[in-house]
Amino acid sequence: QQQVKQSPQSLIVQKGGISIINCAYENTAFDYFPWYQQFPGKGPALLIAIRPDVSEKKEGRFTISFNKSAKQFSLHIMDSQPGDSATYFCAASMDTGRRALTFGSGTRLQVQP
Amino acid sequence: SQTIHQWPATLVQPVGSPLSLECTVEGTSNPNLYWYRQAAGRGLQLLFYSVGIGQISSEVPQNLSASRPQDRQFILSSKKLLLSDSGFYLCAWSVPRGQSAFFGQGTRLTVV
Repeated sequence: QQQVKQSPQSLIVQKGGISIINCAYENTAFDYFPWYQQFPGKGPALLIAIRPDVSEKKEGRFTISFNKSAKQFSLHIMDSQPGDSATYFCAASMDTGRRALTFGSGTRLQVQP
Repeated sequence: SQTIHQWPATLVQPVGSPLSLECTVEGTSNPNLYWYRQAAGRGLQLLFYSVGIGQISSEVPQNLSASRPQDRQFILSSKKLLLSDSGFYLCAWSVPRGQSAFFGQGTRLTVV
């Protein structure tokens, strides 16, 4: 019930292409869905987040699409750049006292020049 | 603005030795604090969380413990390290009942 499943495990995209990473969750009590970007040897950094009352959120080249009925959400990176090469994690949390995040297993994105 | 400090950045410790990792947050009061562990090539696993001084909750049984002696200080400890304790340890904070968590730069622990 607490699991968040992420795919693909790795992704290679050409510069200028669209990177798409998918996540699925089981627990309908989740009400917050962030994406984190992590570079090697660094801590994850919050990239963009969405709540289930919104179907899409866009910030610059990054867009989250959210399908509440399917319990799925995805990250789209438009015009992918070599600097976007990193590991991306989806996550989910619910409104409890601790508000801790449950993370997906991560997607290693490589954008080729 | 809020900042989170975590140290040391890297640590190599022999099996059976003690461990103490420290995390401090600046620029906020009464934050929720978290310790996560990240195994190589995998996601983040929540180890401990704290909603206040002296209030620690453990998510998984393990060889580690956590303490929160001050409002913005969170410490991860072990009395005797195991090889399986190797990993990337991350401290994070959020505002009380806040949705977004913000991570430190992590500590790479290698137990040899």
